Amino acid sequence: EIVMTQSPATLSVSPGERATLSCRASQSVSRDLAWYQHKPGQAPRLLIYGASTRAAGIPTRFSGSGSGTEFTLTISSLQSEDFALYYCQQYNKWPPSLTFGGGTKVEIK
Amino acid sequence: QVQLQEAGPGLVKPSQTLSLTCTVSGGSISSGGYYWSWIRQHPGKGLEWIGYIYYSGNTYYNPSHKSRVSISVETSKNQFSLKVRSVTAADTAIYYCARAVGNSWGYFDPWGPGSLVTVSS
Repeated sequence: EIVMTQSPATLSVSPGERATLSCRASQSVSRDLAWYQHKPGQAPRLLIYGASTRAAGIPTRFSGSGSGTEFTLTISSLQSEDFALYYCQQYNKWPPSLTFGGGTKVEIK
Repeated sequence: QVQLQEAGPGLVKPSQTLSLTCTVSGGSISSGGYYWSWIRQHPGKGLEWIGYIYYSGNTYYNPSHKSRVSISVETSKNQFSLKVRSVTAADTAIYYCARAVGNSWGYFDPWGPGSLVTVSS
């Protein structure tokens, strides 16, 4: 099983500042990496797939980068609605063995 | 746009079977092109993929769950279901259904809002 590790566990950021979230895979997943935003009591929302492609309707302040084992989600200027949990997920293997990271909580500083 | 909604008992006794149904609206499971998934989140923990099913009935499961889990589809009702047998407290979680998309059905969009299931006597 590919283990996904996210850091930091919690990120304290002021509104308007940049947030940088990291995700590391225990082995290469090429660019088969997605990011989700999750707010309590709501459905998780797909932000990024293919490591860097924004999903439909996702604001341009969200960007993804990386390949292999190291990935980054950047939120360029945090808005109030962006304070949430963020998960990465790999989908590199077939038959599927889909795994998520433990999450990063982005909180207001 | 496609929407998903989970439904099922919020409380299940240990050793019994947990059963959940996901109803899909705004699109037809029978149209094909997607796998329909179950994912869970233990309290305070991360997300865990359980498995998914195609409209034809073809399934893939997380190897960690394969022995106790089954996913089925009922295209006439535009629903798919999850059963987890012989549950324990470790199966207490929020259960989400989601549509798997992408060339290799590797990521999920959209998701349902989730259904909390507690295993307790």
